[in-house]
Amino acid sequence: GQSLEQPSEVTAVEGAIVQINCTYQTSGFYGLSWYQQHDGGAPTFLSYNALDGLEETGRFSSFLSRSDSYGYLLLQELQMKDSASYFCAVRTPSNSGYALNFGKGTSLLVTP
Amino acid sequence: NAGVTQTPKFQVLKTGQSMTLQCAQDMNHNSMYWYRQDPGMGLRLIYYSASEGTTDKGEVPNGYNVSRLNKREFSLRLESAAPSQTSVYFCASSEARGEKLFFGSGTQLSVL
Repeated sequence: GQSLEQPSEVTAVEGAIVQINCTYQTSGFYGLSWYQQHDGGAPTFLSYNALDGLEETGRFSSFLSRSDSYGYLLLQELQMKDSASYFCAVRTPSNSGYALNFGKGTSLLVTP
Repeated sequence: NAGVTQTPKFQVLKTGQSMTLQCAQDMNHNSMYWYRQDPGMGLRLIYYSASEGTTDKGEVPNGYNVSRLNKREFSLRLESAAPSQTSVYFCASSEARGEKLFFGSGTQLSVL
């Protein structure tokens, strides 16, 4: 089986930096993704890490350590619009190639 | 730029009724997915299709069937709906490597 663990809720102040962690246990591993979902909306892709290290896209960065089965999403210069749920997802081998399984999500609340 | 289109957006069923959720993508993607989302449970993979002509079970396939009609379309069928299938259903698609998923806007299904 496989499991992904991430905090259920995080609160941070506008303008601050917040880190959302994700640990995983899988049989096989291709990469770790992050998705953002606003209330009532569809998930949207943020980042994908296949190799160890930090990937930066604007205010968002994502980190992966394959040896520690651990990754995180770093959000800088928080804005009110960043209030949303954030999901990590692991891409793993399966019968027909691969599958993508999501964690339960972290609800981020940005306060003034 | 339609992307991934799901129909219907809302549906109410009585226990035991059947229905098919439709999904189509216009991005020429090889892979398509069906997820369900329940409060506090994140996104759980029901079925996916790595390419036209192939389908595989995900984490929660019981009570569902799928058809990959062609490269564009991937439908999800509930043969005999149960209250436990009340959920929001998301269809998604990706290029073959599955590193970035594009989601439809979702179908909110209630089974009474």
